[in-house]
Amino acid sequence: EPEVTQTPSHQVTQMGQEVILRCVPISNHLYFYWYRQILGQKVEFLVSFYNNEISEKSEIFDDQFSVERPDGSNFTLKIRSTKLEDSAMYFCASSLSREAGSPLHFGNGTRLTVT
Amino acid sequence: AQKITQTQPGMFVQEKEAVTLDCTYDTSDQSYGLFWYKQPSSGEMIFLIYQGSYDEQNATEGRYSLNFQKARKSANLVISASQLGDSAMYFCAMREGGTGYQKVTFGIGTKLQVIP
Repeated sequence: EPEVTQTPSHQVTQMGQEVILRCVPISNHLYFYWYRQILGQKVEFLVSFYNNEISEKSEIFDDQFSVERPDGSNFTLKIRSTKLEDSAMYFCASSLSREAGSPLHFGNGTRLTVT
Repeated sequence: AQKITQTQPGMFVQEKEAVTLDCTYDTSDQSYGLFWYKQPSSGEMIFLIYQGSYDEQNATEGRYSLNFQKARKSANLVISASQLGDSAMYFCAMREGGTGYQKVTFGIGTKLQVIP
């Protein structure tokens, strides 16, 4: 069964450094998302992406964050200057359509630790 | 107001018994989708089951069924014949038509532990 793949599985970085989290969505999916989950807390929406542009973003997704689909397969999340509070599990997801019944399929996540 | 409310932070169930995980939602949209996801201790998010707002029958997927009560705005997950591997966090989530179905909003989750 096709799946969303994320790399790396764990990233440790120092405060102030830039990180890029990578994702390969399911190949025929058109809508892409990033979510994050701070340890033990709820899963929070960051951004959705369609047709090479951001379609919606949350308040969390400030100027320190950016997303890109550099080629036909990868979807990346960049955090420009990491803060301690960016430490979380970051999930990439994709969906075939944006119909109400189209589920998001998640990758296994990247655990980001900012020291 | 919370879009998705899960009031059970933790639940225990005996192996082979059935368990119901509660979820209520809040939306003014007529068209929406409700989902349940499972998150084992390994961290991945696994899609379990979907219910559409216009679906008249409750969704079922193997041992999972969704008890959908539209008037009460509830979408409880029922797991029948619990197995040890069902121990995990379970998240209820909703996709609303009013936002152009852009995002899925999650509840805070329920931690289920299956006891041998």
